Formats: sequence, C-alpha cells, structure tokens
Amino acid sequence: NAGVTQTPKFRILKIGQSMTLQCAQDMNHNYMYWYRQDPGMGLKLIYYSVGAGITDKGEVPNGYNVSRSTTEDFPLRLELAAPSQTSVYFCASSYSSHGEKLFFGSGTQLSVL
Amino acid sequence: EDKVVQSPLSLVVHEGDTVTLNCSYEVTNFRSLLWYKQEKKAPTFLFMLTSSGIEKKSGRLSSILDKKELFSILNITATQTGDSAVYLCAVSGGGSQGNLIFGKGTKLSVKP
Repeated sequence: NAGVTQTPKFRILKIGQSMTLQCAQDMNHNYMYWYRQDPGMGLKLIYYSVGAGITDKGEVPNGYNVSRSTTEDFPLRLELAAPSQTSVYFCASSYSSHGEKLFFGSGTQLSVL
Repeated sequence: EDKVVQSPLSLVVHEGDTVTLNCSYEVTNFRSLLWYKQEKKAPTFLFMLTSSGIEKKSGRLSSILDKKELFSILNITATQTGDSAVYLCAVSGGGSQGNLIFGKGTKLSVKP
C-alpha cells in the first residue's frame, strides 16, 4: 500500500528560488493537508483541501500556494523561498473531516540558504 | 488562543520502566484528542479519544481523556528501546474545520 507519497525527500534552495513539493495519496481521501514542523515545535497547518477544486488557508499560509485539481494530488508551491521556510514539510490525508486520523507522508526536509 | 501543552518535553528511562506522558489543552469547540508516535519520519496514529473516562489500549500503550480537567495521559508500560520516539498530542477543534492543533511533543528515550 503506497498511502501518502511525498517527493522530494530532501531539497536545498537558494533564497528567491521557487519549487513545488509533490504529494499524492491513493486512499481516495477527500481531505488533504500540508504541515510544516520546525525543530522542537509542533506541526503547523499551512493549507488544506476538503476536495478537488477546494482549498483553504491554515495557520501559516504566507509564502505558499496550493492547488487541488484531482482527489489524489495536492502540490505545495513555494515562491521566492526565504530562510524562514527552512523546515520539514509533511503532507497528510484523512477520510474524516476535522483533520482526524491523519495519514502522513514521509516528509520533505527543505533548507533555504 | 487555542493551545495544546505537552509535558515533559523530554524523558529518559530504562527498559522495563513505565512512563506517563501528559497533554493539556485549551481549545474551543473540542471534538477529539489524538496521540501520534513520530520516529525518524512521519507521525503514525496511536489513539483518538472523544469521551471522558474511557481508556483506549493497544498492547503496552494506553490513553485516557478527562474532558472536565482538559487533559489526557498516555501510558507506556514495560518500555522497550523501540518505544523511543517523539509522542505528539493533537486536538481537533477551534474555528477551522481543517485544523488539528499540535503540542510540541514529548521526546522519549528508552535506554537498554
């Protein structure tokens, strides 16, 4: 079972560069999420989606964009990368609302230098 | 402001010890409390608690919720080195339907 697949696993960006973190799930979940986790901190919600074509901001959306053209895919776009975006990014999905029982991808370690 | 506070932030024990991890919360429109285990990579789901006083158990792990006092505990008995991980507490609630509010986690180290 693939579950939630994230790519890439590691990436180093220079300040001002852009990139897209890919996320795909094969569980037919309607709900998908992007979190970031900074050292010693809990996970913070960046964006979420309740279904194809519907996205909404979470707690820390600035500097990011998302799209949800299909049920399976939920890419996260970083425009004009900044050192403050150095973090571990997790994509997750769930079959119930309110973010419960999340299934997480393996994470992307991003460094912006 | 909604918040979830875990304690202790880190803990070192020896194999065979019993540990108790704490999670207190102040979250509007509480729906549920969840525990996750995070080893090197992605968090994995342990328990979801919605009702006070009902213990959830899975092997050596158990958890209980007190909705009156706004806290939960996660117990691990007869700890093993494989229990070494960060344990995350998260609460579903607040104003946004998409938001789980996470605590900072408790880092548990189990020494042989």
